[in-house]
Order: sequence, then structure tokens, then C-alpha cells
Amino acid sequence: NAGVTQTPKFQVLKTGQSMTLQCAQDMNHEYMSWYRQDPGMGLRLIHYSVGAGITDQGEVPNGYNVSRSTTEDFPLRLLSAAPSQTSVYFCASRANRAGTDTQYFGPGTRLTVL
Amino acid sequence: GEDVEQSLFLSVREGDSSVINCTYTDSSSTYLYWYKQEPGAGLQLLTYIFSNMDMKQDQRLTVLLNKKDKHLSLRIADTQTGDSAIYFCAERLTGTASKLTFGTGTRLQVTL
Repeated sequence: NAGVTQTPKFQVLKTGQSMTLQCAQDMNHEYMSWYRQDPGMGLRLIHYSVGAGITDQGEVPNGYNVSRSTTEDFPLRLLSAAPSQTSVYFCASRANRAGTDTQYFGPGTRLTVL
Repeated sequence: GEDVEQSLFLSVREGDSSVINCTYTDSSSTYLYWYKQEPGAGLQLLTYIFSNMDMKQDQRLTVLLNKKDKHLSLRIADTQTGDSAIYFCAERLTGTASKLTFGTGTRLQVTL
């Protein structure tokens, strides 16, 4: 298994540009999430999904969209990038099974918005 | 809402024990986690404990939970240079599937 993969690893955008951060997992996990990590603030939940076709907002959803058309993929879209969205973005997945509480994280995408 | 707090930095000498502390505010049934993040990498789950437990041990790692004070600690015995990383405490309320609330992280520096 490749686990949780994220692309790209690094990205630089100009203010106002849009882009999609890709996340995929090959573990057939129902739950997937997007977090952003900023210095001194830990990780904050942006959006999450409990299964294909189902998404919900986390703590900091503004400026981001998600969709979950398949179990494997959970892309995060930045509609109009702003400097405040400069961050490291992590995707995570977890199985929906009793007794399983391990959330697997991808390696992250470092995004800079100029 | 949930709030999780940690001290920002801890320095220990190789071979000593490290104790990383965390406090949380939500008193509902919850899972509490410790994650490790090495430079440039994602988060790796080290261990977790359910709020009806007081202690959990896994090799060099010991997790202690004081429910009354809402205090969680991670003890690393015989700390090695490979343990240098940022350690995150996180909380998940029962029934909230993917929603983890993270602390700010504690940077552990292991010196020779």
C-alpha cells in the first residue's frame, strides 16, 4: 500500500489564482480530512468526509472547497488564493472500524501564496 | 469547544526521560492522541488513550491521564537523538469520526 499520497509537495501561487491539492489513499478508508498547519497553531481541520458523496466543514473552511466522488480521492480546492492561505496542508484518512483509531497522514503540501 | 494546550519546547539529554505535557478542556468522552512529526514529514501516530483509562504503556512510551485535571502526559524513557521531533497532543470527541483538535506541538530537542 502507498498509504496517503499528496501532490504537489510544493506550490507557489499568486494572489487570486486557483488550484487543487490532490489527496489519495489506497486503504479503502471511509474517513478523510484536510488540515492546515501554521507555526504556533498546531493543525486545524479545514474539511472532512465520512464517505463518498459526504463532506462537511471543519474549523477553518472559508476559502476552500472539497468533494468526495470516490472513496480513494479527496481533493482540496483553493478558489482564489490569498496570502493568509500560505501554510502546510495535510490530508489524513482513517478506517471506519470498531477498535481502529489510527489516522494516517500524508507527507504534506507546502503552499506559498505571494 | 475543545481546546488543547502544550508547552512549546523541551530539551533533554540523551538517555534521560522526557515528559511532554498537554491539557485539554472538553470533559466529554474522548480519545486523546500523541503524534510525532519529524522535519519535513507528516504526522505519525505514536499512541492513544481513551478517557476511561489512566495509563497506557507501549515499549518506551508511557501515557498518563489525569481526568480530574484534564492533563495528559507522554513519557519517553531512555530518550534517543532519533526522538527529536515535534510532538502533538490531539483530542477527538466520541462520535466525531475525523475531527481531531490538535495542540500547538512541543518541540523535543535531545542533546548529547
